[in-house]
Amino acid sequence: QVQLQESGPGLVKPSQTLSLTCSVSGGSISSGIYYWSWIRQRPEKGPEWIGYIGYNGNTASNPSLESRATVSRDTSKNQFSLKMTSLTGADTAMYFCARSSAGWFDAFEIWGLGTMVTVSS
Amino acid sequence: QSVLTQAPPVSGAPGQTVTLPCIGYNSDFGVHSAVHWYQQLPGVAPRLLIYGHTSRPSGVPDRFYGLKSGTSASLVISGLQADDAADYYCQCFDGVLGAYVFGSVTRVTVL
Repeated sequence: QVQLQESGPGLVKPSQTLSLTCSVSGGSISSGIYYWSWIRQRPEKGPEWIGYIGYNGNTASNPSLESRATVSRDTSKNQFSLKMTSLTGADTAMYFCARSSAGWFDAFEIWGLGTMVTVSS
Repeated sequence: QSVLTQAPPVSGAPGQTVTLPCIGYNSDFGVHSAVHWYQQLPGVAPRLLIYGHTSRPSGVPDRFYGLKSGTSASLVISGLQADDAADYYCQCFDGVLGAYVFGSVTRVTVL
């Protein structure tokens, strides 16, 4: 079955750019009608959707992030990535990658285990 | 403040039924987008429990079921069990905000 695995630095300095990668196994990110999202969860808070890249390469992101987040993909590696700029302590969170599809009414049906990111000098 | 408001913590004895409401404040709540529910145990990723208002993924017990009426939705857990103790989130797409949004959480404790 499809599995997702996040990777990236655990610690990033304020004002720097965060880069995370989600490796997908068990299925291709460019086949089927799927959307590949990044979702974060600050300590003791609910999840927050960051953005996605679709099966056809289209992207969307949460307007609340004011264009700081960009989702891209590398189909040759079957990975998709998140870049988030101008980090502050408020970006300290567990970051998850997840899959959704119209067949599941856009629910996030598969999640990675998550990777913790701390923003601190 | 979340656009999806959920109830304060809920507790129940084993075997009881608990109902977790989710109220949307934007006019298109549940109209253009289905409501979904997730269970999150401490330290792990959320798990999809209910999608499309009322459907269950395979492997989710039928003790969990979703209801939808107007601008509110509910997750019902019947026959409460000890391992149901978790955080529960509702979620949908908010057309006004242009984003997928999650509710403000309800924590369930099993006495």
